[in-house]
Amino acid sequence: EDQVTQSPEALRLQEGESSSLNCSYTVSGLRGLFWYRQDPGKGPEFLFTLYSAGEEKEKERLKATLTKKESFLHITAPKPEDSATYLCAVQPSPYLSNTGKLIFGQGTTLQVKP
Amino acid sequence: NAGVTQTPKFQVLKTGQSMTLQCAQDMNHEYMSWYRQDPGMGLRLIHYSVGAGITDQGEVPNGYNVSRSTTEDFPLRLLSAAPSQTSVYFCASSYSWSGANVLTFGAGSRLTVL
Repeated sequence: EDQVTQSPEALRLQEGESSSLNCSYTVSGLRGLFWYRQDPGKGPEFLFTLYSAGEEKEKERLKATLTKKESFLHITAPKPEDSATYLCAVQPSPYLSNTGKLIFGQGTTLQVKP
Repeated sequence: NAGVTQTPKFQVLKTGQSMTLQCAQDMNHEYMSWYRQDPGMGLRLIHYSVGAGITDQGEVPNGYNVSRSTTEDFPLRLLSAAPSQTSVYFCASSYSWSGANVLTFGAGSRLTVL
């Protein structure tokens, strides 16, 4: 069964304290792995797509990496404005499930204190 | 460019009532979908559409109905509301679902069923 598990559920950091969020996945063929950011009361906002093991992408203080079983979202020297819930999702291969369906994890809620 | 617009933002229903959540996008996206978000369970796919006149069920379709008469609109109908349908509902769309399905989300509709 395709599934995505994120850890930890919640993370509190001091401003400037770097850390990583984990996304473990099981999928029958991977078309892509996605990271989204969600602010309270808003819809998720796209951050990154990763396609194959070894790939990395960066945006400001965020860097996403991918292996065959998990993805990490590294946050370097976070600021209070990085506080949000971060969602991970996988899309199965179109050769096995040609629906575009995404399977989401439960999310990690990050709080960065000044 | 408004993106994905959902209405209403908040709604309270009594058990057994019916209602429609509206979703419209102005990006000429082929793919549209409805998710529900519940605490600890992540986003779960309700229904999706790969183009006008084409809809299909997602992971949790029971109690919901959809139609797609135009490219722009994808309403979600609750046939007879139940307390278990209390949730936050998100509409999402994408340009190319058969590739990496990068979703653009609406701001969400919070529904409470008493």
